[in-house]
Amino acid sequence: DAKTTQPTSMDCAEGRAANLPCNHSTISGNEYVYWYRQIHSQGPQYIIHGLKNNETNEMASLIITEDRKSSTLILPHATLRDTAVYYCIVKYETGNQFYFGTGTSLTVIP
Amino acid sequence: NAGVTQTPKFQVLKTGQSMTLQCAQDMNHEYMSWYRQDPGMGLRLIHYSVGAGITDQGEVPNGYNVSRSTTEDFPLRLLSAAPSQTSVYFCASSYSIQTGGLGNSPLHFGNGTRLTVT
Repeated sequence: DAKTTQPTSMDCAEGRAANLPCNHSTISGNEYVYWYRQIHSQGPQYIIHGLKNNETNEMASLIITEDRKSSTLILPHATLRDTAVYYCIVKYETGNQFYFGTGTSLTVIP
Repeated sequence: NAGVTQTPKFQVLKTGQSMTLQCAQDMNHEYMSWYRQDPGMGLRLIHYSVGAGITDQGEVPNGYNVSRSTTEDFPLRLLSAAPSQTSVYFCASSYSIQTGGLGNSPLHFGNGTRLTVT
């Protein structure tokens, strides 16, 4: 069962930052936070992951709270192509299985 | 690298027919898995494998069989298709913690097989 809670849907104006929240209040010390997105009905695409520290790559930034009970995915300058369903997942370091919830449907508005 | 390749892209079956969904990866990933996605829902794990010769059940394994004879291939078999198996099926792979891979390796997904059972 999914260990994360995300809002069902969000809107964001094109060119603005999209901030997608995720609650994972039962996360344990050796569980990573991963973010994926799924555009239309394509296969999910990996975005970013982290353990304790904030992370940034060419796609997004991941901000993890100090108590690790929540995180935020930031798309700094949202474009129409960022319209997708975004999944937040926690996974044990020693396991391979990813369990997806229903995610957040992000709509970028022109 | 082609990544994760799934065939066919589309398939229509009649109730009771059998078929195999193919999945191949060329990234030398030990871990492979199958998910199904029903309309408006997230992905649910069907079966997974941590290496050749090793398979295990996920959340929704009933009605599906898998085998892993090579590192590259992980076919999913429907022995007697039912309308409830109408779905989009995704195959995914990653490095495996069990064989020395990083514990934080992300999954790489194929583009899916859209299956309709009438």
